[in-house]
Amino acid sequence: DVKVTQSSRYLVKRTGEKVFLECVQDMDHENMFWYRQDPGLGLRLIYFSYDVKMKEKGDIPEGYSVSREKKERFSLILESASTNQTSMYLCASSRGGRGSYEQYFGPGTRLTVT
Amino acid sequence: DAKTTQPTSMDCAEGRAANLPCNHSTISGNEYVYWYRQIHSQGPQYIIHGLKNNETNEMASLIITEDRKSSTLILPHATLRDTAVYYCIAFLSGGYQKVTFGTGTKLQVIP
Repeated sequence: DVKVTQSSRYLVKRTGEKVFLECVQDMDHENMFWYRQDPGLGLRLIYFSYDVKMKEKGDIPEGYSVSREKKERFSLILESASTNQTSMYLCASSRGGRGSYEQYFGPGTRLTVT
Repeated sequence: DAKTTQPTSMDCAEGRAANLPCNHSTISGNEYVYWYRQIHSQGPQYIIHGLKNNETNEMASLIITEDRKSSTLILPHATLRDTAVYYCIAFLSGGYQKVTFGTGTKLQVIP
């Protein structure tokens, strides 16, 4: 069964802390994505990666960075957390290459920055 | 990626067919139409996708108009468990799959 896991379901951090959100997929997918979801704004793409060590900015990359050292793992980093980064964070993965492939999502991490 | 437009919310009686519309008038010839749904407090779940032809799977049917400017997701016999936000998205096949989700349609299935 397809599986995308995220390191925490709920996380509370203080303003200014460095925050790591981890995502792991077991499907050997090339593509991985990080989204944030806020009421009334839907899902917004932060970053995506199409291969190990490769990354592309999404629609709202400011204040975030990512790391993909291994194919199965994609990390989202908040260098200095701020209260406006309180949100639900969703990770997803999909096959790469030519063709059209669906994304598989993890359960999400609800991050609160106080 | 083509922009999609969906109604904000819809109601459907339990046991009846739920028909969720999506407008994608700027879709290009090689952009697929995908549907996902998100049940409260869970990550989105893939439902179905299509390019030109109508598609059916165990979850739903997808009807795409001949000009491909709109589509309809059909849940043939809606249950309370189908209450969710449904997202219609359109994106290019191949290459980097940057996908933009909008705000979707909140479907409420009523007993």
